[in-house]
Amino acid sequence: EAGVAQSPRYKIIEKRQSVAFWCNPISGHATLYWYQQILGQGPKLLIQFQNNGVVDDSQLPKDRFSAERLKGVDSTLKIQPAKLEDSAVYLCASSLYLRQPQHFGDGTRLSIL
Amino acid sequence: ELKVEQNPLFLSMQEGKNYTIYCNYSTTSDRLYWYRQDPGKSLESLFVLLSNGAVKQEGRLMASLDTKARLSTLHITAAVHDLSATYFCAVGNNNDMRFGAGTRLTVKP
Repeated sequence: EAGVAQSPRYKIIEKRQSVAFWCNPISGHATLYWYQQILGQGPKLLIQFQNNGVVDDSQLPKDRFSAERLKGVDSTLKIQPAKLEDSAVYLCASSLYLRQPQHFGDGTRLSIL
Repeated sequence: ELKVEQNPLFLSMQEGKNYTIYCNYSTTSDRLYWYRQDPGKSLESLFVLLSNGAVKQEGRLMASLDTKARLSTLHITAAVHDLSATYFCAVGNNNDMRFGAGTRLTVKP
């Protein structure tokens, strides 16, 4: 089966600019997750969707981060405006249902100058 | 708040030796996962443990869960170079999911 697809793989922007990441989960997977992984740390869950509804976004910095999952398939994560501390790898994952093992994409490495 | 601690954070071991990675968590959990991450790559699911006393094995890796002690272990038997990677435990409680900081394992010949 095709894995979780993410794009772009790399992005370099200046602080205060905006950026968006795209994720296409494994076909049929109802649950989609966005994580932030800072170098040397474990992934931090930002938001999780069940179909097109938000299950949990308690760790999403809502003043600058937003995410949507239209039609319950693809998802986008946006940062506006970016700060230096947002430099990280942004991982998308999907699972068949909530609480099932997650399949991760290769991530988007974001560098803020 | 759910907190997850892994130790050690760095582990260098020789091929053929055995070792254990520990994962402690702070509150009741209903599931625990182990993932592997190779440098520059994404995470790969290794095990999911759902109940007290659960034990799962795959090749040279064996994971166990003690929910009363809030502790999971990942045991490595007769390590080989291919096991060099970073290993994460992740703990779930309802819709919350927290990862440990990871254990960077290096297996030397």
